[in-house]
Amino acid sequence: QKEVEQNSGPLSVPEGAIASLNCTYSDRGSQSFFWYRQYSGKSPELIMFIYSNGDKEDGRFTAQLNKASQYVSLLIRDSQPSDSATYLCAVNGRGSGGGADGLTFGKGTHLIIQP
Amino acid sequence: NAGVTQTPKFQVLKTGQSMTLQCAQDMNHNSMYWYRQDPGMGLRLIYYSASEGTTDKGEVPNGYNVSRLNKREFSLRLESAAPSQTSVYFCASSFLAGDDTGELFFGEGSRLTVL
Repeated sequence: QKEVEQNSGPLSVPEGAIASLNCTYSDRGSQSFFWYRQYSGKSPELIMFIYSNGDKEDGRFTAQLNKASQYVSLLIRDSQPSDSATYLCAVNGRGSGGGADGLTFGKGTHLIIQP
Repeated sequence: NAGVTQTPKFQVLKTGQSMTLQCAQDMNHNSMYWYRQDPGMGLRLIYYSASEGTTDKGEVPNGYNVSRLNKREFSLRLESAAPSQTSVYFCASSFLAGDDTGELFFGEGSRLTVL
């Protein structure tokens, strides 16, 4: 059974600093990796996805993937109070076409950005 | 664009009662999913439908049934509700073909309380 592990937090970061969120996964066959953000009482929304080893940047967000170490991370630069949320790491087992059995999610890391 | 629509948003049941959660998507997605989210447990897959006419069990299927009514609609039924089924239920969909990313698009969630 696939497992995705995240530190539940809370992770407290000062406004303007870099927030670093980490995730490890058990299935070496996992091909696609996702970061979702979930505000309290709301549904998850996709921030980024990554397939290849290395870094992928989108605005203030950078996803990093190391398949050899089975490790995924999300960096948030210039953290804002509006970034305060729970961040969910998710993986699937097939290639870029996705896995028929959906995504396996970690339990999420609660991030607090202190003004 | 409605995206993924779930009904009802809130429901309170007594132990032993039955109910059906409805989900519809208007994005022409092939695959649909039902997840439940509990505090400290993250998102767990209940059932999924990779394509119209097929359904499969996920991680926590006991106590639930599903119907993929057509390409747009995927319902989740609780035949005899139990307090352990108190949770927030999310329906999600994915295109899952070709170069699709495998991203899941979530509905707003249905908060169910079983007394």
